[in-house]
Amino acid sequence: DAKTTQPPSMDCAEGRAANLPCNHSTISGNEYVYWYRQIHSQGPQYIIHGLKNNETNEMASLIITEDRKSSTLILPHATLRDTAVYYCIVRVAWAGATNKLIFGTGTLLAVQP
Amino acid sequence: GAGVSQTPSNKVTEKGKYVELRCDPISGHTALYWYRQSLGQGPEFLIYFQGTGAADDSGLPNDRFFAVRPEGSVSTLKIQRTERGDSAVYLCASSSGTGDINEQFFGPGTRLTVL
Repeated sequence: DAKTTQPPSMDCAEGRAANLPCNHSTISGNEYVYWYRQIHSQGPQYIIHGLKNNETNEMASLIITEDRKSSTLILPHATLRDTAVYYCIVRVAWAGATNKLIFGTGTLLAVQP
Repeated sequence: GAGVSQTPSNKVTEKGKYVELRCDPISGHTALYWYRQSLGQGPEFLIYFQGTGAADDSGLPNDRFFAVRPEGSVSTLKIQRTERGDSAVYLCASSSGTGDINEQFFGPGTRLTVL
């Protein structure tokens, strides 16, 4: 699975958009980009995933560059409850694969009041 | 519905002792994963079950670690002759195992402390 690079920490004002970048320059054509987050003392929580098109759900938007070498997770209106470590993960996703998640150290997003 | 549950939530043991950590996955989920998380690090994959069989145990650090899932539901992670370096949060996750998403649902973890 491809390696990802994320900034160790970011701050965001409550109510503003939080834009979390991720570099994955060695991503393969069959690898998806996944985002999970981990609130303090809890297990990780799935946020969103994509292959090459931009994706949006009730939690966030995922913007993937055309060359797929980087992506940005966008939380449109950050709240204090969004303070967490955000993990960007790339992996293959098909029925026969292990589908294990390989976590890096992630980005600690601190939403400020 | 109920999520993934793990017991105990905390376990303190002495070096050299044997411990068992339990995971109850979401009902109907065929895939089950164990991860280990040390302080300040992201979770590290240990083992993956599809049904009753361990499909990938490449993350188990050594032969002191073993996991079972005899009926394809509850899983137990077993650690023999515990060492201080085994201290970590042990996370369990389950997924439906179908489709390309395979979103993994995590439990709250078991915090293991080896004295």
